[in-house]
Amino acid sequence: GAVVSQHPSWVICKSGTSVKIECRSLDFQATTMFWYRQFPKQSLMLMATSNEGSKATYEQGVEKDKFLINHASLTLSTLTVTSAHPEDSSFYICSAREGTGGVGYTFGSGTRLTVV
Amino acid sequence: RKEVEQDPGPFNVPEGATVAFNCTYSNSASQSFFWYRQDCRKEPKLLMSVYSSGNEDGRFTAQLNRASQYISLLIRDSKLSDSATYLCVVTLNNAGNMLTFGGGTRLMVKP
Repeated sequence: GAVVSQHPSWVICKSGTSVKIECRSLDFQATTMFWYRQFPKQSLMLMATSNEGSKATYEQGVEKDKFLINHASLTLSTLTVTSAHPEDSSFYICSAREGTGGVGYTFGSGTRLTVV
Repeated sequence: RKEVEQDPGPFNVPEGATVAFNCTYSNSASQSFFWYRQDCRKEPKLLMSVYSSGNEDGRFTAQLNRASQYISLLIRDSKLSDSATYLCVVTLNNAGNMLTFGGGTRLMVKP
């Protein structure tokens, strides 16, 4: 089946630094990838939709200048958390979709970010 | 009102029990429906799609009621390994639109 690889799995960084998270579709091309954030005991909240070759679409309340998304190829999307603060500590998960129809969403294994 | 609502639980049940979860969605234009399972600190994984005609996969049965805008998941003969959070998920259309997640229902199966 389709596989989405997400790296790193976990990262600890200091306040004020930037962290890049990569999401790769390994055996399929993904023109669209989704980035979610999940705080403890809460569900996944969509942050942005990443479109290959164009600007990402951000959900209301998500700062596009803080969460930079680049989707330069059909198999790679990156999320950069700039000037991270402790409140950015969360579980970030990407998702890609193979083909059309309602099924076929595959999730990366997630990145646990801790900002100290 | 949230777009997709679930009872957060936790549902604490003994092994072998039958347990049912419900989920309601607010947008009547929703077209695709799923149940995902998420283990602690892991990514969600598709459990099953949900159809109006109902579908069954082993011990799991999912049902969709479009008129009442709710989705159900029934787990029979619960196993310890069924302990997880179950996420109700909908999409607005089948053309690659985003998944909208419910808050999840936590299930704990006890020996």
